[in-house]
Amino acid sequence: EVQLVESGGGLVQPGGSLRLSCVASGFTFSRHWMTWVRQAPGKGLECVAITSPDGSERCYLDSVKGRFTVSRDNDQNSLYLQMNSLRVEDTAVYYCARIEWGSFNIWGQGTMVTFSS
Amino acid sequence: QSALTQPPSASGSPGQSVTISCTGTSSDVGGYNYVSWYQQHPGKAPKLIIYEVSERPSGVPDRFSGSKSGNTASLTVSGLQAEDEADYYCSSYAGSKHGVFGGGTKLTVL
Repeated sequence: EVQLVESGGGLVQPGGSLRLSCVASGFTFSRHWMTWVRQAPGKGLECVAITSPDGSERCYLDSVKGRFTVSRDNDQNSLYLQMNSLRVEDTAVYYCARIEWGSFNIWGQGTMVTFSS
Repeated sequence: QSALTQPPSASGSPGQSVTISCTGTSSDVGGYNYVSWYQQHPGKAPKLIIYEVSERPSGVPDRFSGSKSGNTASLTVSGLQAEDEADYYCSSYAGSKHGVFGGGTKLTVL
């Protein structure tokens, strides 16, 4: 079964850090562009970061540039999102997704990032 | 403000057809045939229902169809069913900006 499973979300303080992980199974992970998409509570979808199959190309949403880093380990079939200097507006469910035919055709179940006061 | 413009809501009765629009620019929707549509039920992950403007992934009913004219793409849901009630998002490849989304449309089945 083709599957993506995220983990690593949780409660964090403003200015803190989190590392999200996404493990892929059921397909050849190393052949695909991958992305992190987030959805703030009650809001729409937003593409946060994208990486090429070998990890050499990466692009980011302007509001996370310099704070978030996307990476991957093709040997471990894993995608990561290192999030530093977190802001309250980063509150969201973060999904990893596989890119194919110019679309996001496989999605994980999502992992929630929330802030403690 | 989202990169692509969708109506916030749409509705129809069971059995009817509903069309949702998605308006962008020549830098995204109008410039590439990489428009996709996603269905999202509450508390669930989005699901791809249309890719490359009008192609359906395996398992998606043919009641869902897509089209594009100029800078506007459209999703039509024919023969509305209760389970079609969900949020729908469009997306387009946008060159160096990669994927951009619409703000979403809440489809209500009356």
